[in-house]
Amino acid sequence: KAGVTQTPRYLIKTRGQQVTLSCSPISGHRSVSWYQQTPGQGLQFLFEYFSETQRNKGNFPGRFSGRQFSNSRSEMNVSTLELGDSALYLCASSLDGEKLFFGSGTQLSVL
Amino acid sequence: GIQVEQSPPDLILQEGANSTLRCNFSDSVNNLQWFHQNPWGQLINLFYIPSGTKQNGRLSATTVATERYSLLYISSSQTTDSGVYFCAVPTTDSWGKLQFGAGTQVVVTP
Repeated sequence: KAGVTQTPRYLIKTRGQQVTLSCSPISGHRSVSWYQQTPGQGLQFLFEYFSETQRNKGNFPGRFSGRQFSNSRSEMNVSTLELGDSALYLCASSLDGEKLFFGSGTQLSVL
Repeated sequence: GIQVEQSPPDLILQEGANSTLRCNFSDSVNNLQWFHQNPWGQLINLFYIPSGTKQNGRLSATTVATERYSLLYISSSQTTDSGVYFCAVPTTDSWGKLQFGAGTQVVVTP
């Protein structure tokens, strides 16, 4: 069974641009969560989707948004990028709310 | 919200040594998960452990929910055990919203 797949693996953008990250969960998993990891703040929850509905959102500005498609694949978008958005963005999927399985992440650098 | 504290923050081990990592949490939880983040950034789920003890090879974990802590044991450590170990507990909001600790950085030297 394939694991959680995130694309792209690395991304370099400049301030003011926008970016879209993609996540394909493990087959059969309907819950997808996104986390931001930085050296200073650690792992912080961004949002969670279940069956195309956002169930929860973390404490991030409105520039951060996401969605989930009917096949459970999810995307997150960051508009008007700032230097502080440089981070590892991790996606996780879950079946029935138990173990979370993470993808390899997308390393975003904002110059 | 719930607070999660991990100790020690850093650990240097010689290959073959044993170690114990601790995770304290401030409120009652239904479950707790331990993760290992390798040097390439991949977070691997080691244990989903609501209570009691689980073993997986050289690793084992114990959660004492009534006393709000969990321990991760690494026995006969190997260089591949290097990385950051995180514990995480669910918030009351939903399954996928975990509160992570700050992690324990483990370095295993040959």
